[in-house]
Amino acid sequence: EDQVTQSPEALRLQEGESSSLNCSYTVSGLRGLFWYRQDPGKGPEFLFTLYSAGEEKEKERLKATLTKKESFLHITAPKPEDSATYLCAALKTSYDKVIFGPGTSLSVIP
Amino acid sequence: DAGVTQSPTHLIKTRGQQVTLRCSPISGHKSVSWYQQVLGQGPQFIFQYYEKEERGRGNFPDRFSARQFPNYSSELNVNALLLGDSALYLCASSLARQGGNTIYFGEGSWLTVV
Repeated sequence: EDQVTQSPEALRLQEGESSSLNCSYTVSGLRGLFWYRQDPGKGPEFLFTLYSAGEEKEKERLKATLTKKESFLHITAPKPEDSATYLCAALKTSYDKVIFGPGTSLSVIP
Repeated sequence: DAGVTQSPTHLIKTRGQQVTLRCSPISGHKSVSWYQQVLGQGPQFIFQYYEKEERGRGNFPDRFSARQFPNYSSELNVNALLLGDSALYLCASSLARQGGNTIYFGEGSWLTVV
C-alpha cells in the first residue's frame, strides 16, 4: 500500500536554530516528491519538486533533498515567519494523484 | 497571474443536503484535481480530471462526483451530506505534462455539516 510518513509530528525551534524535517515514502510508480507549506486555514503553497535520488533544491532558508526512500527538508537559521505545517507528498504515475503525509507542524520562537 | 480560485470560501450545510463547490484552474492548466483535508491530517485525493474526462478516483463513496467544463473549470458535488464530510476541500491544477507536473492548490472551500 502506498504510504507517506513524516517526522516529527511537531517541532519547536528557537529563532536561528537549524533543523531537518523527515519524509519517508513507500509509493509504487513514483514520479516526483513535493514539499508544500500550509498556513492555518489556507491551501498548500508549493515549495519544491524533486524527481530523482540525489537531487537537491534550495529556496531562501529551505533546502530539500531526496533519496530512494526519504526526503529531507532542511531549515537553516529559521525565523518566526517560517512557522507553518510542512507537507510532503508523492506524485504517482499516469495522473495527478498526490499522496500526502500528515505534515510536520513547525513553530519558530523569537 | 491568478492562481487556482475556489468558491465559496466557507459554507454551512445540514446533514442530507447537497453541496456544489467550484474551481477555476490557473490559465493554461488542463488538469484539475480535488482533495479533502480533515483538520490535522494531510489532504486526501478525491478525483482528477483532464480534458473533461475523469482520469483518477480516490477511495470516496459515490456520493462524491465531479465534472470538468470546456474552459477547464470544475465542480465537485457531494450528495446526502454526512457530519464526517466537514472538511477543507482543495482544488489543484497542473499542466499535466509527461514526466512530471507541479501541482498548485487553491485556498480551499471550508464545508461545515451540522
